[in-house]
Amino acid sequence: NAGVTQTPKFQVLKTGQSMTLQCAQDMNHNSMYWYRQDPGMGLRLIYYSASEGTTDKGEVPNGYNVSRLNKREFSLRLESAAPSQTSVYFCASSEGWEFPSNYGYTFGSGTRLTVV
Amino acid sequence: DAKTTQPNSMESNEEEPVHLPCNHSTISGTDYIHWYRQLPSQGPEYVIHGLTSNVNNRMASLAIAEDRKSSTLILHRATLRDAAVYYCILRDTLGGSQGNLIFGKGTKLSVKP
Repeated sequence: NAGVTQTPKFQVLKTGQSMTLQCAQDMNHNSMYWYRQDPGMGLRLIYYSASEGTTDKGEVPNGYNVSRLNKREFSLRLESAAPSQTSVYFCASSEGWEFPSNYGYTFGSGTRLTVV
Repeated sequence: DAKTTQPNSMESNEEEPVHLPCNHSTISGTDYIHWYRQLPSQGPEYVIHGLTSNVNNRMASLAIAEDRKSSTLILHRATLRDAAVYYCILRDTLGGSQGNLIFGKGTKLSVKP
């Protein structure tokens, strides 16, 4: 009954360091997403994966890479972290990317990342 | 860009009904109206969605105007746990990238005891 699990929950990085945020879902969903949320803002889509083996850019992809490792897992990598990437990152999954009318998104609890 | 307009904030008293408005004057015939909410320090959670007819579930009701250019999320009896940011989002049923959820700033609902 885990839903969407994100690790780590908190992370502090120095400018220029790299790290990978992990996301896994146990609902057999085809589609997975990475969002970031800055203070006082709504969520912005970074990358998404409509199905296993595919990834596409969202609104704010610069500075990030993603990997859809398998159907369950979708990771987000920061190759050279910058202070502007300080944010809360949310992973989500959903069914029915091609026909979404009856399906909602399930979100993880987020990763709070600070880049100093 | 978000295609909906919501008030920045609203206040309600505990155990009273709350009506959260959303304007979406440029809605297309294939857009579903979705509502999500985000409690403090948590990820968003799905609340309800609809196309043309009013919808009810255990969390809330969704009232959709006849011309579909506006909708209202109704919480029948607000509790302190309903204090959250509520997002009204249009999601294209044609799917593909057009069906991705695009969030605006939402409405911050405060509930007073």
